[in-house]
Amino acid sequence: DGGITQSPKYLFRKEGQNVTLSCEQNLNHDAMYWYRQDPGQGLRLIYYSQIVNDFQKGDIAEGYSVSREKKESFPLTVTSAQKNPTAFYLCASSMGGASAPYNEQFFGPGTRLTVL
Amino acid sequence: GQNIDQPTEMTATEGAIVQINCTYQTSGFNGLFWYQQHAGEAPTFLSYNVLDGLEEKGRFSSFLSRSKGYSYLLLKELQMKDSASYLCAVRDSNYQLIWGAGTKLIIKP
Repeated sequence: DGGITQSPKYLFRKEGQNVTLSCEQNLNHDAMYWYRQDPGQGLRLIYYSQIVNDFQKGDIAEGYSVSREKKESFPLTVTSAQKNPTAFYLCASSMGGASAPYNEQFFGPGTRLTVL
Repeated sequence: GQNIDQPTEMTATEGAIVQINCTYQTSGFNGLFWYQQHAGEAPTFLSYNVLDGLEEKGRFSSFLSRSKGYSYLLLKELQMKDSASYLCAVRDSNYQLIWGAGTKLIIKP
């Protein structure tokens, strides 16, 4: 059963702590993405990666870090430098790179992070 | 700046037809996507338009006019399970997706 998994579904952390959100896909997709979703706003791109060992900043990368050591995995670390980290985080993947003609993105179930 | 506009919320009746509009102003255009998102869940892909015209897929259709910077999603024979948010996203000249805030569709019996 191919898909994208994110864990955990809900995550609580104290202010000042770093936290890592996992994202794994077995779709053999090259590109992976991290988005943040806040109420009343569109999805905002944090980071994306088109190939292993390479990634680029999105619109709101400050306070976040990522790695792409394996094709299947694209973990996101929310650092203590992120001023307002409470949000719903979505991971996505797509078959081709961003410029592929038909670049449907498949999403994981999301992680709701609450910083207390 | 880049901007995607959609109505915040719409209400429709089960069995009816509803049209959700999306207007966009982006730096370049490389396709427009519609996604459905149920509350607390992941968005799922509905349709993709890159050329002007109507794309039909079962009860859902999507229309694009590039000259007007306009698209709509048409949902026919509405069912209660169609209650969800509908997200419009445009791929810009850098092939990045710019997302609208979504339209929350409420279906009433």
